[in-house]
Amino acid sequence: DAGITQSPRHKVTETGTPVTLRCHQTENHRYMYWYRQDPGHGLRLIHYSYGVKDTDKGEVSDGYSVSRSKTEDFLLTLESATSSQTSVYFCAISDLEGLNEQYFGPGTRLTVT
Amino acid sequence: DQQVKQNSPSLSVQEGRISILNCDYTNSMFDYFLWYKKYPAEGPTFLISISSIKDKNEDGRFTVFLNKSAKHLSLHIVPSQPGDSAVYFCAASDTGNQFYFGTGTSLTVIP
Repeated sequence: DAGITQSPRHKVTETGTPVTLRCHQTENHRYMYWYRQDPGHGLRLIHYSYGVKDTDKGEVSDGYSVSRSKTEDFLLTLESATSSQTSVYFCAISDLEGLNEQYFGPGTRLTVT
Repeated sequence: DQQVKQNSPSLSVQEGRISILNCDYTNSMFDYFLWYKKYPAEGPTFLISISSIKDKNEDGRFTVFLNKSAKHLSLHIVPSQPGDSAVYFCAASDTGNQFYFGTGTSLTVIP
């Protein structure tokens, strides 16, 4: 299994509070991704990174920001959490540009009350 | 709009028989497709892929078929085993950096 960890694994927070989720990899892969999984929507890309300090938006980026200051860490921040951001969040990595499969972390279940 | 669609939320198959999971897409620019398998409380794991220059790719019990004119792909599992019970996602990409996922099909293989 690819070395990907996510923390925390579970979090309950209140509306309006900031939340940061962390993805850590030990594979030295260049590309990192954040997805959310919701019933009826499958997995949707929030943001991705193609190198240190290089990030881009995915299809559902509103309300989220990311940072990547080191190859191994990719942080997802909800500046002011809303109930619509209750979801399961997955981090993924891939090694080569373009057409390669992604390796997923175990997920973080976030509940915003 | 959902660019990748899996219209069957669930599928049940007897052990030993063939499982066929279907996926349709709307973007004609998609040229690379993958299938992932997901168990509860785990992240998806890569299963098999196919590029648009091929119409079939096999890996053991798993075969993916691509029909570009119909914008349709399917995953065949034969013979199906109880351990194959999971949610299966198809995904498609035109650039390689962004993949669009379907909503998943929950496969149950009955012993």
